[in-house]
Amino acid sequence: QQQVKQSPQSLIVQKGGISIINCAYENTAFDYFPWYQQFPGKGPALLIAIRPDVSEKKEGRFTISFNKSAKQFSLHIMDSQPGDSATYFCAANPSGNTPLVFGKGTRLSVIA
Amino acid sequence: EPEVTQTPSHQVTQMGQEVILRCVPISNHLYFYWYRQILGQKVEFLVSFYNNEISEKSEIFDDQFSVERPDGSNFTLKIRSTKLEDSAMYFCASSPRGGGAGNTIYFGEGSWLTVV
Repeated sequence: QQQVKQSPQSLIVQKGGISIINCAYENTAFDYFPWYQQFPGKGPALLIAIRPDVSEKKEGRFTISFNKSAKQFSLHIMDSQPGDSATYFCAANPSGNTPLVFGKGTRLSVIA
Repeated sequence: EPEVTQTPSHQVTQMGQEVILRCVPISNHLYFYWYRQILGQKVEFLVSFYNNEISEKSEIFDDQFSVERPDGSNFTLKIRSTKLEDSAMYFCASSPRGGGAGNTIYFGEGSWLTVV
């Protein structure tokens, strides 16, 4: 119940294309869903996050789509660039002080 | 921009030795965390710390591990009697309030521990 399942494990996208990464959860107590971006040798950095009271959140080229009934959320990267090549982790936790639970990560490679 | 800083960036230690990883969280943050990432795998929660005590810990965080905030600015993770399987990147993190309800958790760049 504490798991967040993430797919795909790796993704190759052409420059300018759309990258889509999916996550699913089971714990209905989760109410905060961030995405973290991690470059090699660096710590995860918050990219964008959503609460379940909205179905979509957009920040620049990054969009989270959230489907509460299906318990799924996804990250869309529009006009993907080589600089977006990194590992992306979805995460979730309930409100309060419970720590984040991370998905297994998706290694994105954007090729020119 | 304030950041979480960690030292050392990389440490090699012999199996059975004790290791202390150090972190300076962001100054006005109240919650502190240690996470671990074995090479190529997901980020795993170890422990959270608030008000000078452990608030939550995972199954990974057994008696081999301990945390301390010795002086009001540093936050340390001690690993006693290291094992080969402790080799991983250890991330310190902090947040101004609890990690839920949209309170961002900020991660340091990690300390890469290699046990030989």
